[in-house]
Amino acid sequence: TQLLEQSPQFLSIQEGENLTVYCNSSSVFSSLQWYRQEPGEGPVLLVTVVTGGEVKKLKRLTFQFGDARKDSSLHITAAQPGDTGLYLCAGAGYGGATNKLIFGTGTLLAVQP
Amino acid sequence: NAGVTQTPKFQVLKTGQSMTLQCAQDMNHEYMSWYRQDPGMGLRLIHYSVGAGITDQGEVPNGYNVSRSTTEDFPLRLLSAAPSQTSVYFCASSARSYTDNYGYTFGSGTRLTVV
Repeated sequence: TQLLEQSPQFLSIQEGENLTVYCNSSSVFSSLQWYRQEPGEGPVLLVTVVTGGEVKKLKRLTFQFGDARKDSSLHITAAQPGDTGLYLCAGAGYGGATNKLIFGTGTLLAVQP
Repeated sequence: NAGVTQTPKFQVLKTGQSMTLQCAQDMNHEYMSWYRQDPGMGLRLIHYSVGAGITDQGEVPNGYNVSRSTTEDFPLRLLSAAPSQTSVYFCASSARSYTDNYGYTFGSGTRLTVV
């Protein structure tokens, strides 16, 4: 069973601070995705990374896929209250497992104004 | 609006009852999945489908059945509800495989309580 562990589980910061969320596994993934979920809603896709070492930027959010394709990070610069939510990483396996998207445990972020 | 529609939004069942959670998408997506979300455990895959007539088990399939007779619909059946099935259930769909950079579109969820 492929497991994805996220850290930290909870993060409460002030507006304007920077933060990094980590997603780690002992398994290799063919691709990895990041989602954000707000209360009462389903997760919304932020980005997909597919190449080891790949870095993608989405405004103030920077996503990196580890060289060995086992881990990923999400860095937010100058966090804003609108960034508050549950951040989830999700990985897809290889071969017949590419259709199974396995989610991490999530990081709950609260940005105080 | 195009997307994934789940019904009902809320449901209370008694132990032993059966029910079907409905999921429909109007994006002509091939891939559809059902997840359950419990506190501290993220989302866990129950069943998934790569096209009409094709389904497979995920991480936690016991107690649930699925079928995919059309591209649009992917219902989830609880055979005999148990308190351990109290959870929020999400249906999701995707156009292609994840290696093609396609992500899932999620429904807004069904909150199920089994008493």
